[in-house]
Amino acid sequence: DGGITQSPKYLFRKEGQNVTLSCEQNLNHDAMYWYRQDPGQGLRLIYYSQIVNDFQKGDIAEGYSVSREKKESFPLTVTSAQKNPTAFYLCASSPRGQTEKLFFGSGTQLSVL
Amino acid sequence: DAKTTQPPSMDCAEGRAANLPCNHSTISGNEYVYWYRQIHSQGPQYIIHGLKNNETNEMASLIITEDRKSSTLILPHATLRDTAVYYCIVRAYSGGGADGLTFGKGTHLIIQP
Repeated sequence: DGGITQSPKYLFRKEGQNVTLSCEQNLNHDAMYWYRQDPGQGLRLIYYSQIVNDFQKGDIAEGYSVSREKKESFPLTVTSAQKNPTAFYLCASSPRGQTEKLFFGSGTQLSVL
Repeated sequence: DAKTTQPPSMDCAEGRAANLPCNHSTISGNEYVYWYRQIHSQGPQYIIHGLKNNETNEMASLIITEDRKSSTLILPHATLRDTAVYYCIVRAYSGGGADGLTFGKGTHLIIQP
């Protein structure tokens, strides 16, 4: 089945540690996105990529980094510079010509030890 | 993008129609109305979108007022599985320039048995 796979489902980070969240899609979508969601809040855009080897900062990019070396993959690294990383992270993709129709993964819950 | 206003929460009895309102009084002529929903601990799911005509699909109906300043998402026969946060988003068609959608806090719809 086509879809977006995020892993792991739960992740724990120690102080000063970088962690990487995986996002893979087999929908052949050009655009991919990373969002952060805090309890009881909406989604905030971290980074997005419209095409391979290109990505743009969203509203809250500080403390995060991404890469887009393959069309199918858009990993997110939460660096030690992100002082409040505990949140639910969601990856999404959208097809060419229908960029407002986002398909989301099931999310990764990141917690700080 | 135009700002939207939604009630924070609503209740509906199982089997009845759930009518979720959204106010977007500053909407521009080229902006669409999109609806997504997010079941607890999952990624949001696209439901429906429209410009000015009413729209219906297998999930829901979207009614947009003639002046386009408000809309209503209708779930015709709500089930317990429809309990979720529903997001109303107003956005101009990006023409392929995908830079993500803005998700507010939405309406938490609770279907009562």
